[in-house]
Amino acid sequence: DADVTQTPRNRITKTGKRIMLECSQTKGHDRMYWYRQDPGLGLRLIYYSFDVKDINKGEISDGYSVSRQAQAKFSLSLESAIPNQTALYFCATSDRLGDTQYFGPGTRLTVL
Amino acid sequence: QKEVEQNSGPLSVPEGAIASLNCTYSDRGSQSFFWYRQYSGKSPELIMSIYSNGDKEDGRFTAQLNKASQYVSLLIRDSQPSDSATYLCAPQNDYKLSFGAGTTVTVRA
Repeated sequence: DADVTQTPRNRITKTGKRIMLECSQTKGHDRMYWYRQDPGLGLRLIYYSFDVKDINKGEISDGYSVSRQAQAKFSLSLESAIPNQTALYFCATSDRLGDTQYFGPGTRLTVL
Repeated sequence: QKEVEQNSGPLSVPEGAIASLNCTYSDRGSQSFFWYRQYSGKSPELIMSIYSNGDKEDGRFTAQLNKASQYVSLLIRDSQPSDSATYLCAPQNDYKLSFGAGTTVTVRA
């Protein structure tokens, strides 16, 4: 089984809808991250969490919110989806050393 | 804005040749540097990390770091068709990664 899982893997939704992307990990890592990837722009950090009670904004947090329900679970929400949030979303984890980040398989989100 | 610039691609090399990838970064506080490989439609996977100035070799991959010049590079020797992918440069500061847009490498058989 994969160490970092993301659900759903693909999602098509309409403008204005609320949507949640979920990330779970079995690596026992404290640190979790959400990124989005757009063609030609690389990955950009949306939110990150260094433990269950710690939530931090990344460089592009506007329009997004997160919830760290447990050490193993980190969810990303779009309260009112808009078309320019169409992208590939990745969850990642790292241990306390914060060295290597391990990525989930990604969620391809399309907002119509 | 923490900028990470990578040489524009795509980079096409014949099988068995050396592929050379370059990256410059603006954040002087960057402490660690990573190269990720990403196949089309897949998630990034770590292939190299480097922390101090100089060269680091791992199999067919060699990473080079020059913090004074804010420059990091990756050499892929004896390129194979399986090396065809996008390579992402990612400096790290305070446990957060900043990614370049990536350089796409195509290895011609």
